[in-house]
Amino acid sequence: SAVISQKPSRDICQRGTSLTIQCQVDSQVTMMFWYRQQPGQSLTLIATANQGSEATYESGFVIDKFPISRPNLTFSTLTVSNMSPEDSSIYLCSARGLAEGTGELFFGEGSRLTVL
Amino acid sequence: GESVGLHLPTLSVQEGDNSIINCAYSNSASDYFIWYKQESGKGPQFIIDIRSNMDKRQGQRVTVLLNKTVKHLSLQIAATQPGDSAVYFCAEKENYGQNFVFGPGTRLSVLP
Repeated sequence: SAVISQKPSRDICQRGTSLTIQCQVDSQVTMMFWYRQQPGQSLTLIATANQGSEATYESGFVIDKFPISRPNLTFSTLTVSNMSPEDSSIYLCSARGLAEGTGELFFGEGSRLTVL
Repeated sequence: GESVGLHLPTLSVQEGDNSIINCAYSNSASDYFIWYKQESGKGPQFIIDIRSNMDKRQGQRVTVLLNKTVKHLSLQIAATQPGDSAVYFCAEKENYGQNFVFGPGTRLSVLP
């Protein structure tokens, strides 16, 4: 299993500012993902963080709004840019050892952002 | 901690009873499924998984049932305890896909 650490765990941000969330995995993993969980909602995939290349974004999410880095196999960052109250959510980092097939998807504890 | 799933469907069960949480999935090509438990203020935690070549899998106090014909997944929790109170999500994935798709979630509330 993998242990995933995220920081900050929570933050209160002002409208128009940007915040970067860091994700550290305790072992090398093949896949890293970023999810958003809005209040009262399920998890929605934002993007797959690709090591050494640009992230792969899901429909409805763009790089300018959610730039992602993954400089190595154990670390990734997600930036929420030019925040508005609609960006208030829990942002979850996740990781998986395998690119395909079976195998658990592990999660961090999440970063809860409140935008005023 | 903060509450996740304020507007989710809720299943209330008496402590000691069995719980059944259901999930309808959408992709007929999905062949790997996971149930997650999410407690307030925490990230989702793996409970049990099942591959499409099985229709039942048991863990400690939990059983997952898969019916591919009707694209239905269920999680059974035996002798439900207060610590089982959480939001439960099913997640599905295609074998050659990389991404999991999560269901809407169900809040399980255990009554004393």
